[in-house]
Amino acid sequence: QSVLTQPPSASGTPGQRVTISCSGSSSNIGSNTVNWYQHLPGTAPKLLIYSNNQRPSGVPDRFSGSKSGTSASLAISGLQSEDEADYYCAAWDDSLNGRWVFGGGTKLTVL
Amino acid sequence: QVQLVESGGGLVKPGGSLRLSCAASGFTFSDYYMSWIRQAPGKGLEWVSYISSSSSYTNYADSVKGRFTISRDNAKNSLYLQMNSLRAEDTAVYYCAREDLRSRTLDYWGQGTLVTVSS
Repeated sequence: QSVLTQPPSASGTPGQRVTISCSGSSSNIGSNTVNWYQHLPGTAPKLLIYSNNQRPSGVPDRFSGSKSGTSASLAISGLQSEDEADYYCAAWDDSLNGRWVFGGGTKLTVL
Repeated sequence: QVQLVESGGGLVKPGGSLRLSCAASGFTFSDYYMSWIRQAPGKGLEWVSYISSSSSYTNYADSVKGRFTISRDNAKNSLYLQMNSLRAEDTAVYYCAREDLRSRTLDYWGQGTLVTVSS
């Protein structure tokens, strides 16, 4: 069971906007920033969003993040077929001497 | 550019040992904390361990505490994970990742190395 909670799946048609939620607690999302990763099988996870809403260079502005309290969300607008992947949220957790915690992952299907 | 390349994975019997390596390049390795993260087949990402830049601090997930040991050699730009008393549930792709402390982000990851624990 993952410490952060994400929906197992999401879907949308090309051009649509989809959002993926991530719920945590006071020891992780409530007190630290949230990162989002895109993961394709057999590849290295790619950082999409850091510090709740910042995009690394090269990440399209179709991807955006937000955080409120102990929850966060990733939004993808103008959905494209190449966005089909697994998406994970992550945050530092202050409990147990400090650790990284992840969501269970959301499989995004572009219909 | 930043590169992280894992190696050392393979097939091992339950109770056996394996040592994973992660070769880093393209950045000043000694300035960064590093972590190991794994993904079991059909499962999500699970953090395994981290080590501070000078090896002063380490921590482990409860699932591997007492069996796995993380270490690093800054002179060789390398990160290691010694895995002992391996169990079937340790079967996973193991990734090394760099941590940017300023933004509290695991910003670069390797491609992973597969560890299979089976008799």
